[in-house]
Amino acid sequence: SQELEQSPQSLIVQEGKNLTINCTSSKTLYGLYWYKQKYGEGLIFLMMLQKGGEEKSHEKITAKLDEKKQQSSLHITASQPSHAGIYLCGADNYGQNFVFGPGTRLSVLP
Amino acid sequence: DTAVSQTPKYLVTQMGNDKSIKCEQNLGHDTMYWYKQDSKKFLKIMFSYNNKELIINETVPNRFSPKSPDKAHLNLHINSLELGDSAVYFCASSRQGSNYGYTFGSGTRLTVV
Repeated sequence: SQELEQSPQSLIVQEGKNLTINCTSSKTLYGLYWYKQKYGEGLIFLMMLQKGGEEKSHEKITAKLDEKKQQSSLHITASQPSHAGIYLCGADNYGQNFVFGPGTRLSVLP
Repeated sequence: DTAVSQTPKYLVTQMGNDKSIKCEQNLGHDTMYWYKQDSKKFLKIMFSYNNKELIINETVPNRFSPKSPDKAHLNLHINSLELGDSAVYFCASSRQGSNYGYTFGSGTRLTVV
C-alpha cells in the first residue's frame, strides 16, 4: 500500500524566515493534499495537487508536485506565528484509499 | 502492529439502519478523534475525546455519537443512516494537549444506499 513520509518531523523557525516541508510517496500519486492542523480546530484543507509539475499558492504558502508525482513540497515565505501548527500531506490512492503522512510540527518564534 | 485500526474498512448499508465503526489505538495516546472526509477530500472534525472531555463539532447531527469504552477505543455509532452520510470516516489519535502529530487509521468507506 502507499506510504507517505514527511520531513522534517519538526521545525522551529524565527518569524520572517522561509521554510520548506517535504512529502514523499512510495508510489506515483494520483492526488496530493496538504492540510494544516491546529489543536482543537481539526484539519484545515490547504491545497490539492494533481498534475506533475503543478504549483499552487495561497497567500504565503506554495505547494509543488514534482514531475514524477512522487514528491511534494510546501513552502512558506516570511513565516508568521499564525503559521504554527502541524502540516500533514495526504494522498488519494486512485480512489482505493486515502493515506496521511505522519505530519510536520512547525513552531514559529516571534 | 497497526497503530490505529478501524473496522470495517468498507460498509454498505441501507438508509435508516444503525451502524457502528470501531477504532482502536495501541499507541498509548489519550486523545482520539473522528473525522469525516467528503468527496472533495475535505476533512471535517466530528469529535475529539479524551478521558476527561468530549468536544463535539456542533454541526454534527446528533444521530452520530462517539462511544469510548476505554482510552484505547473510540467507536462511532450512527443512527438512522441517511444518503448524505456516505463518506470516508477516519479515526485518529494523539497525545493530549498536543502539538504532536496525529496518527490516522486507514479509514472506513461508508456507503448508504
